[in-house]
Parts: sequence; structure tokens; C-alpha cells
Amino acid sequence: SAVISQKPSRDICQRGTSLTIQCQVDSQVTMMFWYRQQPGQSLTLIATANQGSEATYESGFVIDKFPISRPNLTFSTLTVSNMSPEDSSIYLCSVVAVAGSGYTFGSGTRLTVV
Amino acid sequence: DAKTTQPNSMESNEEEPVHLPCNHSTISGTDYIHWYRQLPSQGPEYVIHGLTSNVNNRMASLAIAEDRKSSTLILHRATLRDAAVYYCILRDVGTNAGNMLTFGGGTRLMVKP
Repeated sequence: SAVISQKPSRDICQRGTSLTIQCQVDSQVTMMFWYRQQPGQSLTLIATANQGSEATYESGFVIDKFPISRPNLTFSTLTVSNMSPEDSSIYLCSVVAVAGSGYTFGSGTRLTVV
Repeated sequence: DAKTTQPNSMESNEEEPVHLPCNHSTISGTDYIHWYRQLPSQGPEYVIHGLTSNVNNRMASLAIAEDRKSSTLILHRATLRDAAVYYCILRDVGTNAGNMLTFGGGTRLMVKP
């Protein structure tokens, strides 16, 4: 299965600033996703990162707040913009190499906004 | 979206088998049953998936009811490292929505030494 390197692993940020999270995969993958996991909660899908085009966002998430890039089949970034304490969560990258196979998740970025 | 229902938590003794249930009464014919688990401070990891027949792999077994309205993840011999939140997820391969995983609350498994 694919191996994901997600950076940074954690960060503490000031409100009003932005943080960009990187997801690097060791092989080409068909699909890449970004999830959020709020404290004590399950995972919520933010968006599907599409290679070479705009990401597809789920209800409640917008591009201005969570811009996503995916320049190629192995790399994607998620930016959390104009952060507030409510954005304090774990953000996870997920990929699937082959349709029908299992999904692989990164270890996550633990973000604290103060 | 087809939904799943799992107990919030379960307890097991180390080295004993564990049966984690999942109800999915509104499952459709193109829904695959996936199980993932999330160890503390880690991202979820794939455990097993199936469609109609029971499945076995090195991590676990998946028993699927004949009417497919429920399934059970079986850990044959629980270890302390199996303590995690286990998620039962339906993935509809017949739609674009099935390309992503929708997580419910999962079952928190506690393993006692």
C-alpha cells in the first residue's frame, strides 16, 4: 500500500494566520482526500483533491477557507486560512491507489489555534 | 447515504476473540462493507472489506449476514495493541459518492490485560 508523509505533524498557530499542510505519497495514486477530525469526534471529509483542477468540497466547507492544491499524482496541500480557535483539529490526508482497494491515511496534522 | 450502527464501546480480555457488530439495514446491492480502525494518535488504517461472502486476512475476519443487513468484524485473539476505534463503513461503488469514505462514530474497543 502507499506510504504517506504528512507535514507538519503538529503546529500551534495564532488566530488570523494561515497554515499549509503537505501530503506526499511515495507512489502515484488515483484519488486524494482531506479529512478533519475535531477533538473527540469522528472524521469528516473536507474535500476531494483533483489533479490539475479545483477540489470538490463537501457541504459546509468552502474553497476560500480551505484552499487545496494537487499539482500531480503524488502531492497535495491543504491550507487552513484565517484561522480561529474553532479550527483546532487534526487534519488528515487519505489516498487510494487503485479503485476498489483500501484507503491509506496519513498520521495527521494536529493544529491548535490560540 | 447508507448508514451503519455500531455500539459506542466494547471491552475484551487480552488473548480472547472479539466480535464487533455493525448494523446496516439500508444497505444497497452495490455497497461494500469496509472496516477501518484508528489507534490512538494515528490516522485510520484499513482492516478488511467484503461484499457478500465472508472474508479473512492476516488482521481479522469479516462475517456478513446472508441478507447483508449486518456484519461482524472478528479479531481472533485480541492484544493490547488492538485497542482502537473501529469504524464500519459502507462504500457504494455504483456512485461517485462511493469514492470517499463516510465515517460514523465507530466502536471504541478496550482490551484488558
